[in-house]
Amino acid sequence: DQQVKQNSPSLSVQEGRISILNCDYTNSMFDYFLWYKKYPAEGPTFLISISSIKDKNEDGRFTVFLNKSAKHLSLHIVPSQPGDSAVYFCAASALGTASKLTFGTGTRLQVTL
Amino acid sequence: DAMVIQNPRYQVTQFGKPVTLSCSQTLNHNVMYWYQQKSSQAPKLLFHYYDKDFNNEADTPDNFQSRRPNTSFCFLDIRSPGLGDAAMYLCATSRGPSAGGGNEQFFGPGTRLTVL
Repeated sequence: DQQVKQNSPSLSVQEGRISILNCDYTNSMFDYFLWYKKYPAEGPTFLISISSIKDKNEDGRFTVFLNKSAKHLSLHIVPSQPGDSAVYFCAASALGTASKLTFGTGTRLQVTL
Repeated sequence: DAMVIQNPRYQVTQFGKPVTLSCSQTLNHNVMYWYQQKSSQAPKLLFHYYDKDFNNEADTPDNFQSRRPNTSFCFLDIRSPGLGDAAMYLCATSRGPSAGGGNEQFFGPGTRLTVL
């Protein structure tokens, strides 16, 4: 039972354009959501997060949007750069679970020149 | 720099031969986690330590054990590795909910385990 789903295994975007990565979840107890970026042969690196009390969080080129009613979140990268090419994981946690994270299967982003 | 270190980065073992993977952290975080990640799959939590308290996930096989002798170190022991245990093993840390803030976890680079 996949509680966090990333339905697009891959995405290709031109440099300078917007990248939009999507994530859906099923567990209503999730109240904190995170995006991680992973390069080959490295561990995931924390990118940005959002609490369920907000619907948007922005950090430089990265913005995460949360739609609680739809149980959907998205990560926007503007403008996309070649160095953004990586696998992006969506993750979610629930209050009182010792920060345990449930991950999606990841979306591989390729930013082309 | 504060970080999460995993050794070795690559480990080859034989079917049934016990293996131990190591993780250390300089972040002084309360919680340490072990994940298993297979190709094109989500990282799967095996267990975590909240300080000295061990928490096993319900579906973690008995073949997998863990030790946390002190705050800085955590070990993953695979008692009798099978071919299906070949995977990337990720160690992560977090401050824990009692420390306030978000639930960000900080990951090491992983150990890729090959079982022959």
